[in-house]
Amino acid sequence: EADIYQTPRYLVIGTGKKITLECSQTMGHDKMYWYQQDPGMELHLIHYSYGVNSTEKGDLSSESTVSRIRTEHFPLTLESARPSHTSQYLCASSVTDRAFFGQGTRLTVV
Amino acid sequence: EDKVVQSPLSLVVHEGDTVTLNCSYEVTNFRSLLWYKQEKKAPTFLFMLTSSGIEKKSGRLSSILDKKELFSILNITATQTGDSAVYLCAVRAYQGAQKLVFGQGTRLTINP
Repeated sequence: EADIYQTPRYLVIGTGKKITLECSQTMGHDKMYWYQQDPGMELHLIHYSYGVNSTEKGDLSSESTVSRIRTEHFPLTLESARPSHTSQYLCASSVTDRAFFGQGTRLTVV
Repeated sequence: EDKVVQSPLSLVVHEGDTVTLNCSYEVTNFRSLLWYKQEKKAPTFLFMLTSSGIEKKSGRLSSILDKKELFSILNITATQTGDSAVYLCAVRAYQGAQKLVFGQGTRLTINP
């Protein structure tokens, strides 16, 4: 339905490693979002962007960082992964009210 | 703080039953309410509602918004096992980045 892609889909990584979750969209949407979702829980906004060179922290505090150098690309980075970062990370984009979601990255930190 | 509350959190019914899912919200400068279906990973869009009293319909699914009482319902008639999913309600406000604020979701299970 929507052209928004996340990689990897699944990632198991050791504590202390640096990781980057990729998110790309080909729809030319200005607004992009990262949500974190634990199993059976609601989506929490951790980062968003209005457009290139614009990033803001969301409602849920996160140790991750994001960048928006190109409209289509909104990567999320964890400098030092910890078991508490284990979760599902969903990327989304929108131009109007409707948000389109990627397939998500299931991250497990061991 | 903007808040969205869904009920019930979990619902198990038999195939063919009709279900009603509820979503209430407290949002400053309400702009729109959206319903999504989440089966495995990515939430998929169902409806967007902006005006009170106007029903949106798609096949066996329908939804309506009451802006005075600050709630919306999602109805599914003649349920099928493929309707089993988590149904998410989200609200968007006018301020800021027009962030989507999500409720906890209702986990719907349809038994054959």
